[in-house]
Amino acid sequence: DGGITQSPKYLFRKEGQNVTLSCEQNLNHDAMYWYRQDPGQGLRLIYYSQIVNDFQKGDIAEGYSVSREKKESFPLTVTSAQKNPTAFYLCASSINPAASGRINEQFFGPGTRLTVL
Amino acid sequence: AQSVTQLDSQVPVFEEAPVELRCNYSSSVSVYLFWYVQYPNQGLQLLLKYLSGSTLVESINGFEAEFNKSQTSFHLRKPSVHISDTAEYFCAVRWNTGRRALTFGSGTRLQVQP
Repeated sequence: DGGITQSPKYLFRKEGQNVTLSCEQNLNHDAMYWYRQDPGQGLRLIYYSQIVNDFQKGDIAEGYSVSREKKESFPLTVTSAQKNPTAFYLCASSINPAASGRINEQFFGPGTRLTVL
Repeated sequence: AQSVTQLDSQVPVFEEAPVELRCNYSSSVSVYLFWYVQYPNQGLQLLLKYLSGSTLVESINGFEAEFNKSQTSFHLRKPSVHISDTAEYFCAVRWNTGRRALTFGSGTRLQVQP
């Protein structure tokens, strides 16, 4: 059963702590993305990766870090430098258009709701 | 900067009435257009997409959207809504230049009332 999994579904963090959100996909997609969703603001791109061992900053990368050591995995770390981390975080993946020569939609995971206490 | 605008944050409508959710984007250069739907506390699901060809695209559950290049719009329509259509709808654009990622609008919450 192919898809994207994110864990945990709910996450609580004390102020000042780093926390890592997991994202795994078995769709054999090259590209992966992290978005943050806040009420009334839609989705904002945090980081994205077109291929293993490479990633780029999105619109709101400050206070976040990522790694892409494996094709299937793209974990997101929310650091203590992120001033307002409470949000719903969505991971997505797609076929890499640069490699395939065609555009494809992004497939989304179920999300992780992070709350800072 | 390139942007996507969804003018209506909420659209209340009665069951079986028609609905239009508006989406405009900032640049008319080559674009790829998507509508996603999100149910509470879930991820996004693709509703329909325009990549090329016919400017009118349809989904399997009765929604349709029309790409209008001159007006830089991609409005979503349904002639008769159901209670189960209640959800948040996001328009997304990928421009064929620059960053290879989607830019999303702020979303429109469709509330279907009996």
